[in-house]
Amino acid sequence: EVQLVESGGGLVQPGGSLRLSCAASGFTFSSYEMNWVRQAPGKGLEWVSYISSSGSTIYYADSVKGRFTISRDNAKNSLYLQMNSLRAEDTAVYYCARDRLRWLDYWGQGTLVTVSS
Amino acid sequence: EIVLTQSPATLSLSPGERATLSCRASQSVSSYLAWYQQKPGQAPRLLIYDASNRATGIPARFSGSGSGTDFTLTISSLEPEDFAVYYCQQRSNWGALTFGGGTKVEIK
Repeated sequence: EVQLVESGGGLVQPGGSLRLSCAASGFTFSSYEMNWVRQAPGKGLEWVSYISSSGSTIYYADSVKGRFTISRDNAKNSLYLQMNSLRAEDTAVYYCARDRLRWLDYWGQGTLVTVSS
Repeated sequence: EIVLTQSPATLSLSPGERATLSCRASQSVSSYLAWYQQKPGQAPRLLIYDASNRATGIPARFSGSGSGTDFTLTISSLEPEDFAVYYCQQRSNWGALTFGGGTKVEIK
């Protein structure tokens, strides 16, 4: 069974940093591209970042470029999102999701990040 | 950047009725469109990919159609568990994903 479990969310002050993790199981993690998608409270879905299976290709949404860094450790079956210079508008539930070229077929349950003083 | 516009924003229907949800792209996305269902407090769930293909385990009452710029998600007969928010999604040429604003299907 495919499972994606996010962790690392919490309350952080504006300008602060946080590192999210996504633990994958039930599939060959190293063979799949992965994404982070977020959802602000009461709002729709916003794509954040993509990483290829090897980690060699990375994309970011303009809203996080230069502040967030996606990475992965295929030996640990884990995906990460390092978030720096956090702003109030980054407050959201962050989901990791498995990529299938044109769609996302499995999603984690999400981890809440709250940026507030 | 391709923009996806979903309509209506809210659809009020009764169980057993047919639901028709629309997603319009600002330029052609061929047949490369996906649909997701999201219930309160849950992660999105893939329903349809490449416009008309049901994902694994998705009931046959869900169907997708369309190509180019106009797409439709149809729920032939609403079950109580189908009341949720539905999102369409496409991938740009350079890798970004874009989601529509969502359609909430609520109980009338």
